[in-house]
Parts: sequence; C-alpha cells; structure tokens
Amino acid sequence: EVQLVESGGGLVQPGGSLRLSCAASGFSFSDDWMSWVRQAPGKGLEWVARIKQDGSAKYYVDSVKGRFTISRDNAENSLYLQMNSLRAEDTAVYFCARDLAVSGTIDFWGQGTLVTVSS
Amino acid sequence: QSALTQPASVSGSPGQSITISCTGTGSDVGTYNLVSWYQQHPGKALKLMIYEVNQRPSGVSNRFSGSKSGNMASLTISGLQAEDEADYYCCSYAGSIIPYVFGTGTKVTVL
Repeated sequence: EVQLVESGGGLVQPGGSLRLSCAASGFSFSDDWMSWVRQAPGKGLEWVARIKQDGSAKYYVDSVKGRFTISRDNAENSLYLQMNSLRAEDTAVYFCARDLAVSGTIDFWGQGTLVTVSS
Repeated sequence: QSALTQPASVSGSPGQSITISCTGTGSDVGTYNLVSWYQQHPGKALKLMIYEVNQRPSGVSNRFSGSKSGNMASLTISGLQAEDEADYYCCSYAGSIIPYVFGTGTKVTVL
C-alpha cells in the first residue's frame, strides 16, 4: 500500500524558514517523480514543485522560485521542501504526492501538513 | 496558468446522476488528454477517481465516469450515494514547466 506521510509544518513568522519532509513507503520511491502541492485555507489546489527520480531536474511555480527548494533522498525514501523567506500567502496545507510524469497524473497523496505564516 | 473553472457546488438526491464540469483552455484541457479527477473528504487524503480523461483506477466504483470535449472535461457520478458527498477537483496536465493546473473545486451535496 502506497503511503506518503508529511511532517514539519507549523507556525512561522514572515521571512522565516521551514523544512517539510515526506516519508514514502509501499512503492519504489526512486522510480517516480514527486511533487508538492498546496491548498490555502478554504481555497483550491496549487502545484508547487516537482523533482525527477534522480533529482537532476526540478521545477517550481513562479511564486516560489528562488525561495523554495525541493529535494529527495532515495536511500531514505524521503522527499523534502525547504521553504525560505516565507510570506503570509504561503500559508497552506502542503501535500506530498506521487507524480506519474509519463501519464501526466498525480496518483497518490499524503494527508498534508499545515504551514501557517503569521506574526 | 489560471485555475480551471468548476461550479462551486452541485447537489443531487440518492440514486440520481450529477455532472461536474471543468473548463480550461487550449493550453491545458484542450491540448492534453491528461485530465484527472480527485475526491477530497474533510481531513482525508485526496483520492484519484479518474485519470487520462476517462480511466478509472483499480478499486474506484464504475459509478464514476469522465469525458472531455474541446476545452471542457466532465465528471459524472451515477447512482449518487451518501458517501459521494465530498469536494471534487479536476486537474489537467499543462506541459513540462508548470505540469499541473487544478480546478477551483466543486462541493457535492447528497440531499
């Protein structure tokens, strides 16, 4: 059974940093692209970042470029999102997701971790 | 990329059929046959219900079906059941740089 478990969310002041983690199990993590998707309170979903199987390619939505960094550790079956220079508009639940790049589909999601940026 | 447009809410009685629309553009829905639909119950992980416009993952009820015409995709739920009450989001592949654009979300209410 595919499982994705996020952690690392919390309350942070504007301008602060946070590192999210996602522990993957139940599939061959190193075979798949992975993505982070976020959902602001009461709002819809927004794709944030994506990383290739070996970490050699990374893509970001414009609003987080230069501030967020996606990375992975295939030996640990873990995905990360380093978030710097956080803004109030980054407040959201952040989901880790398995990204089937070949079929242009995200097929499995974690339950998410809440990031609140507020003074 | 702008969000795909969905109706805010759709409702139906048990046993009825409902359809949720998802309107995009020629840069996403209209170009790629890579539209997926997700179900979200409060506090739960999103669940993939339809992928590649009309394909159902293993374990998803055949009461759920998808279609696409031009820049608009649709999700139909037949034989509506109480457990179908949830939020539904469409998603379209939109290219390698910004790969996914999501819909605005639709709350389905079973009357």
